[in-house]
Amino acid sequence: GAGVSQTPSNKVTEKGKYVELRCDPISGHTALYWYRQSLGQGPEFLIYFQGTGAADDSGLPNDRFFAVRPEGSVSTLKIQRTERGDSAVYLCASSLGGTQSGELFFGEGSRLTVL
Amino acid sequence: AQSVTQPDIHITVSEGASLELRCNYSYGATPYLFWYVQSPGQGLQLLLKYFSGDTLVQGIKGFEAEFKRSQSSFNLRKPSVHWSDAAEYFCAVGEIPGTASKLTFGTGTRLQVTL
Repeated sequence: GAGVSQTPSNKVTEKGKYVELRCDPISGHTALYWYRQSLGQGPEFLIYFQGTGAADDSGLPNDRFFAVRPEGSVSTLKIQRTERGDSAVYLCASSLGGTQSGELFFGEGSRLTVL
Repeated sequence: AQSVTQPDIHITVSEGASLELRCNYSYGATPYLFWYVQSPGQGLQLLLKYFSGDTLVQGIKGFEAEFKRSQSSFNLRKPSVHWSDAAEYFCAVGEIPGTASKLTFGTGTRLQVTL
């Protein structure tokens, strides 16, 4: 597709379970970002990939959160031992990369609900 | 650390009326500023951005924003609002010049348009 694709669009899980969220960026975009948006809040930065490597993971809240991008395209955000506080919309975005590119193209998000 | 404040949580305007959404930022260096719009069921879309140069920036859908360094503000304006402009609007600041796409978002302003 032409835009950033995220799956699943909705995920309901139980506390303590493991969850994977997938992001397929725009073709040719080297930079990929994960953000988290809680109810009534703006998106909050989690992690940024330039190519295959995590250039900045300073936003990951704790070691239960991990993200990979093994081939420099699709990325997976992994959450272990989910907690109710992890409930949020997880947004993926991509950009052309490089300095001052500025414009992020966002997907529609994956809504995670932890019961 | 940088921060963004959007003091208005919710604004209602009549169709055809003018609009101004407020945004104040806190950042030590020259900021890279953005406005995004989020409509239900859609991803965040970039309206406009400011990196340098002319402090009045034109964006898509008839929006503009003015960077005022002395007031640490980047307010969004539109002369005549359309019903389709009803959405949530987020102001954001880019953290570092080399990675302008790592954004800190405000909490958003929800715009309601009455006919």
